[in-house]
Amino acid sequence: DAGVTQSPTHLIKTRGQQVTLRCSPKSGHDTVSWYQQALGQGPQFIFQYYEEEERQRGNFPDRFSGHQFPNYSSELNVNALLLGDSALYLCASSGWGATNEKLFFGSGTQLSVL
Amino acid sequence: ELKVEQNPLFLSMQEGKNYTIYCNYSTTSDRLYWYRQDPGKSLESLFVLLSNGAVKQEGRLMASLDTKARLSTLHITAAVHDLSATYFCAVVSNFGNEKLTFGTGTRLTIIP
Repeated sequence: DAGVTQSPTHLIKTRGQQVTLRCSPKSGHDTVSWYQQALGQGPQFIFQYYEEEERQRGNFPDRFSGHQFPNYSSELNVNALLLGDSALYLCASSGWGATNEKLFFGSGTQLSVL
Repeated sequence: ELKVEQNPLFLSMQEGKNYTIYCNYSTTSDRLYWYRQDPGKSLESLFVLLSNGAVKQEGRLMASLDTKARLSTLHITAAVHDLSATYFCAVVSNFGNEKLTFGTGTRLTIIP
């Protein structure tokens, strides 16, 4: 049983460009959350998707947007990239309302903005 | 706004010794998670604690939760080099969703 999978693993972009990151949740999970982890810091919540809708959002600008597909997979889009967007982007999946389970993360996408 | 603080931020300890990492949070929480992260890697789930007084143990690691004190501890027994990593606690502030607020992390180095 595959866990949470993310692609690509590494990405290099330049300032002003746009990027799309992808996440496939663990089998049986319908909720996807995205986190940004800057070097040396803890992950910060970006947003969460359930039933193809954004359910919660953290303190991130509108340049960060997302989408969830009918198969529960998700994309994170970042427009007008800034140097400060360089980070490890993590995806986590869960079952909506499944509060007694461990929350598993994917291996992440390392984004470097030059 | 939920705030989560860990201490210490850095911990260097000898193999075979015991130590405790502390996680304090600022508001009522339903759930608390502990994660391990190796350099350049993702987060490895260690424990989820769901109620006051909950205690979970796996190998040399034991986690506990005191919801009244808004405190969780991660205790390391007889440390070995393989436990060197950064440890994060993360708290869920609203029941029914999975928005985690992470602590600052504790970078643990086990010295032979």
